[in-house]
Amino acid sequence: QKEVEQDPGPLSVPEGAIVSLNCTYSNSAFQYFMWYRQYSRKGPELLMYTYSSGNKEDGRFTAQVDKSSKYISLFIRDSQPSDSATYLCAMINKAAGNKLTFGGGTRVLVKP
Amino acid sequence: SQTIHQWPATLVQPVGSPLSLECTVEGTSNPNLYWYRQAAGRGLQLLFYSVGIGQISSEVPQNLSASRPQDRQFILSSKKLLLSDSGFYLCAWSPLVNTGELFFGEGSRLTVL
Repeated sequence: QKEVEQDPGPLSVPEGAIVSLNCTYSNSAFQYFMWYRQYSRKGPELLMYTYSSGNKEDGRFTAQVDKSSKYISLFIRDSQPSDSATYLCAMINKAAGNKLTFGGGTRVLVKP
Repeated sequence: SQTIHQWPATLVQPVGSPLSLECTVEGTSNPNLYWYRQAAGRGLQLLFYSVGIGQISSEVPQNLSASRPQDRQFILSSKKLLLSDSGFYLCAWSPLVNTGELFFGEGSRLTVL
């Protein structure tokens, strides 16, 4: 079993819809949670960063962490064609060193 | 501001040939440096990371090696490439005190034929 599970998609939505992405994890020691966005043939870039359980909002993006269920989510409101990319969740256990564990990524396609 | 450069962007190599991918970081000192590989449709696999000059940790046994000859230079090498080495290679850096934010280069796409 992988430490971090993420549906590979693709997830296709019409422009303006809400995109809902999620990851589950098995290691309860993970403390910091991140979402990276990766456009085709490019390196990933950090989108959202959260530490505690609850919600964090940044513009059209909302990240949720539920440590009790070992479940994290990313919501994109008013989705745009420019949001079409692969979204990777990542998490870190500081006590085990400064290495990130990534999910496999979910490919999102926002159709105009 | 900090920037990361990675090259070459694309290369096609025959099986058994050597490999050298180079990565440099500008605008920061003492970064942690990383090499990741991303196979088609799959997540990021950490290959090597370095916390300082000459300090390399290997995550996955393979025919690849890494070196850090200077503070902001990280090199990925192989003496003899295998077909299974094909993939998208990403260099990344993080601040010395890593909070989890990685800054990635543009990537190098390697095809081994």
